[in-house]
Amino acid sequence: AQSVAQPEDQVNVAEGNPLTVKCTYSVSGNPYLFWYVQYPNRGLQFLLKYITGDNLVKGSYGFEAEFNKSQTSFHLKKPSALVSDSALYFCAVRDFGTGNQFYFGTGTSLTVIP
Amino acid sequence: SQTIHQWPATLVQPVGSPLSLECTVEGTSNPNLYWYRQAAGRGLQLLFYSVGIGQISSEVPQNLSASRPQDRQFILSSKKLLLSDSGFYLCAWSIPNPEQFFGPGTRLTVL
Repeated sequence: AQSVAQPEDQVNVAEGNPLTVKCTYSVSGNPYLFWYVQYPNRGLQFLLKYITGDNLVKGSYGFEAEFNKSQTSFHLKKPSALVSDSALYFCAVRDFGTGNQFYFGTGTSLTVIP
Repeated sequence: SQTIHQWPATLVQPVGSPLSLECTVEGTSNPNLYWYRQAAGRGLQLLFYSVGIGQISSEVPQNLSASRPQDRQFILSSKKLLLSDSGFYLCAWSIPNPEQFFGPGTRLTVL
């Protein structure tokens, strides 16, 4: 079965420090992996994706993510956190082998402390 | 460019009343369309998805239904709302990109 796990409900980081939001996945075939951000009472915004190629992918607002096939992980990172990065972050996986469904993690709430 | 619209933005309905939420996509053809519900600002629950007109797959048995009367229109309905139907409803589309794009959402409160 396809699934995504975000082991941390809450991550706190000081402004200017690097941040990491963790994600692990389980799929039967090759994964398509995504990160989204959600601000209060808004829809999810696409940040970045991994399809194939370089394991380090860069996305919007200075975020990047590293695909690690052996650890089945796709952690979201940013070298220097901003207060405006405070939001809810979702990891998602799409397995084309099982159709058109997306599987989302439960979300990680990131708080950047000034 | 593609855009996705949802309305209304907020809705307050009494228990037992009907529901109709609408989602439309512009700038693409034959998209896959999805309805999600998000409770308490956390995880997403896939309710329905559609790969074409009149083709609806239901993921969770409940008192909700979905319809796709036109290629870029996706409607979420209920004949009688329950208190547990309260939540944030999100419409999304995909294809040709592998990622999904989400609408702004509808906040439904059932009293």
